[in-house]
Amino acid sequence: DSGVTQTPKHLITATGQRVTLRCSPRSGDLSVYWYQQSLDQGLQFLIQYYNGEERAKGNILERFSAQQFPDLHSELNLSSLELGDSALYFCASSVEGGKNSPLHFGNGTRLTVT
Amino acid sequence: TQLLEQSPQFLSIQEGENLTVYCNSSSVFSSLQWYRQEPGEGPVLLVTVVTGGEVKKLKRLTFQFGDARKDSSLHITAAQPGDTGLYLCAGVRNTGKLIFGQGTTLQVKP
Repeated sequence: DSGVTQTPKHLITATGQRVTLRCSPRSGDLSVYWYQQSLDQGLQFLIQYYNGEERAKGNILERFSAQQFPDLHSELNLSSLELGDSALYFCASSVEGGKNSPLHFGNGTRLTVT
Repeated sequence: TQLLEQSPQFLSIQEGENLTVYCNSSSVFSSLQWYRQEPGEGPVLLVTVVTGGEVKKLKRLTFQFGDARKDSSLHITAAQPGDTGLYLCAGVRNTGKLIFGQGTTLQVKP
């Protein structure tokens, strides 16, 4: 058990809809990362937060947004969903978010857009 | 553009065989991490290699970081069915950003 909790585990929704994925980091970890994993693209970095502030941005679409709350949990909002957004979405956390901080991944949310 | 190329993408072997997975890039990384991911779970960190030429061993797994810190390899000796999974390498930039390879899916048959 990595200590990172993601909910829900599975999500099935229709195109055009909006969903929110939730992540609770490991106790003591200040940094949260969001990744998207699909069969053809592998594990793609979306965005990183550190202690409530955005620290780095990756290949995140404008239809997607995220935030980290004062209690350090994070939410990833996906809107105007398309079929191609179907993927596994992982949250990871680390102590400080720097290059020497290993990542601890949750078990992911599997999103299916129909 | 895939900055980290892993090979092979798929590997199916018999229990007891040896195998090597490669992770190559034209970019220099401050360190390189190897993760293992099982179905229905997130990636789990196996090891971090930091110094060029560094070799780390984890039981039957041997990890090596290239001298120029652009490539790495994972060698498994006498593979077991429990080694089955997706192996991911991830290069760490000086900024802390992680770049993941596409992964190698390993199946070890009893």
